[in-house]
Amino acid sequence: DVKVTQSSRYLVKRTGEKVFLECVQDMDHENMFWYRQDPGLGLRLIYFSYDVKMKEKGDIPEGYSVSREKKERFSLILESASTNQTSMYLCASSLGFFGYTFGSGTRLTVV
Amino acid sequence: KNQVEQSPQSLIILEGKNCTLQCNYTVSPFSNLRWYKQDTGRGPVSLTIMTFSENTKSNGRYTATLDADTKQSSLHITASQLSDSASYICVVSAYGGATNKLIFGTGTLLAVQP
Repeated sequence: DVKVTQSSRYLVKRTGEKVFLECVQDMDHENMFWYRQDPGLGLRLIYFSYDVKMKEKGDIPEGYSVSREKKERFSLILESASTNQTSMYLCASSLGFFGYTFGSGTRLTVV
Repeated sequence: KNQVEQSPQSLIILEGKNCTLQCNYTVSPFSNLRWYKQDTGRGPVSLTIMTFSENTKSNGRYTATLDADTKQSSLHITASQLSDSASYICVVSAYGGATNKLIFGTGTLLAVQP
């Protein structure tokens, strides 16, 4: 089975801090994604990448950036964390259009 | 506008009972429809995936149906167990570009009580 691992289950950060969320997949998937999930809003796509060093903006990229230096790793960066970025962050990877697997999520609280 | 709507928002059933969750979508061009189960505080886990030509797919006690004409899907859970308590998310995939775009419903929160 594909494994998508997110480095932290829970994070608490202060407003203005730079925050790194890490995601690693072990099945050589080309595509990787970052979502945030908020009550009543469902999952919303922040950024995705379909190849190393490639990135595309999703629906809500403002306040975020990403990095994909290696195929297996996709990092989400909050340049200056704000309280409205408190959320559940989910990483996913896929091979083509069907094999879509999510990580366990990182619950980020910005205080 | 591509949208996925799920009903009900929440549901409480007794252990051992059956239930059906609904999903209506307006997504074009349609690629596939997926149902995910998400336990509290965890990532979603895939239950079923159906393409345009499939109208039913089962995974144990979970059976998903798809009516591509009416753009409706349902997830039927048979003989519910306490471990079925979770959020169930309907996700429709639209063709586009290097990778399909996924459109997520907001989920149905199911509570199974003893």
